[in-house]
Amino acid sequence: QKEVEQNSGPLSVPEGAIASLNCTYSDRGSQSFFWYRQYSGKSPELIMSIYSNGDKEDGRFTAQLNKASQYVSLLIRDSQPSDSATYLCAVPSGGSNYKLTFGKGTLLTVNP
Amino acid sequence: DAGVTQSPTHLIKTRGQQVTLRCSPISGHKSVSWYQQVLGQGPQFIFQYYEKEERGRGNFPDRFSARQFPNYSSELNVNALLLGDSALYLCASTGAAGELFFGEGSRLTVL
Repeated sequence: QKEVEQNSGPLSVPEGAIASLNCTYSDRGSQSFFWYRQYSGKSPELIMSIYSNGDKEDGRFTAQLNKASQYVSLLIRDSQPSDSATYLCAVPSGGSNYKLTFGKGTLLTVNP
Repeated sequence: DAGVTQSPTHLIKTRGQQVTLRCSPISGHKSVSWYQQVLGQGPQFIFQYYEKEERGRGNFPDRFSARQFPNYSSELNVNALLLGDSALYLCASTGAAGELFFGEGSRLTVL
């Protein structure tokens, strides 16, 4: 089992819809979880972090964490064409707090 | 405040050559990490340095080396370049909660 798995997509949603991005991880000891957005040809940008079970909201973004199921998700409400990007899930690996393992990313396209 | 800065942004090398990539972390951050991202994949961990000491190394050959200077800037060196080394090389500063803040990256093409 890969350490961090994401659906590669592409995920296509109409403008104004909710986009749901999912990530599973293998290390039960992981305590922190990060979502990055990467536009084509650019570097990853941190958009959300979550450390506790439940939901964390920041503007149009909501991160959801379920440690029992080893599952973290990112919801984007009122999706905009500018949200079109690859979304990367990242989890500390090997018990370290300095090495992040990234999923392959999910390509999201928001259609006007 | 300036974010993470990297140089050069783009470079082209031929097989067998050597390359040096440079990075300055966010002011006040003492940790620098290097990641490699090939097309279609997530970033892969290469090194982390903290206070000039190597704290971790990913699954990369010895052709890859790095160091951190007293001002916390860092260099990544890759020797004997292979075609497969073509990638976006990302430098990151580490925040208090372990989150990474990436620079714009150095895109290396090996011909």
